[in-house]
Amino acid sequence: DVKVTQSSRYLVKRTGEKVFLECVQDMDHENMFWYRQDPGLGLRLIYFSYDVKMKEKGDIPEGYSVSREKKERFSLILESASTNQTSMYLCASSLYNQPQHFGDGTRLSIL
Amino acid sequence: KNEVEQSPQNLTAQEGEFITINCSYSVGISALHWLQQHPGGGIVSLFMLSSGKKKHGRLIATINIQEKHSSLHITASHPRDSAVYICAARRNYGGATNKLIFGTGTLLAVQP
Repeated sequence: DVKVTQSSRYLVKRTGEKVFLECVQDMDHENMFWYRQDPGLGLRLIYFSYDVKMKEKGDIPEGYSVSREKKERFSLILESASTNQTSMYLCASSLYNQPQHFGDGTRLSIL
Repeated sequence: KNEVEQSPQNLTAQEGEFITINCSYSVGISALHWLQQHPGGGIVSLFMLSSGKKKHGRLIATINIQEKHSSLHITASHPRDSAVYICAARRNYGGATNKLIFGTGTLLAVQP
């Protein structure tokens, strides 16, 4: 069974901090995704990666960056956290054109 | 207007009822996904379909490409079916990956 593991379920940080969210998948998937989920807005794509060191912006990349140095790991970085980045963050991975497998999510609060 | 619209946003049913959740999309797609999210966050893929109908247990998903519409049906609903159901369209870009456009979800509560 595919396992997508996010490093934290809950995280509390302060404004201005640099925040790292980590995601690891164990199925050799090429594609990895970072989403945020907010009430009434659904899932919105922040960044995705289709190979090691390859990344593309999603719909809401402002204030975020990503890193994919190894195939199994995709990191989301909040360069300088702000309160409007308080959200649920979900990581997913997939093979090309196959269903995405999601992690359990990280509920991030920025104070 | 969102490119993927779901209805209803909220649905309350009695155990045993037949449930239908609808999804309409306005873009060209290569596949339509139905996902389930239980309280606590985890999202599970239920179906991926590009034509016709798929069935898994008490769940049935249908798609009409010409009408740009998909439905998720739950037969003999049970309280454990209570969850958010999300429709997502894989857009017809080509390219190296499968970006999805998500609906905002339908919150289903099945009461015993």
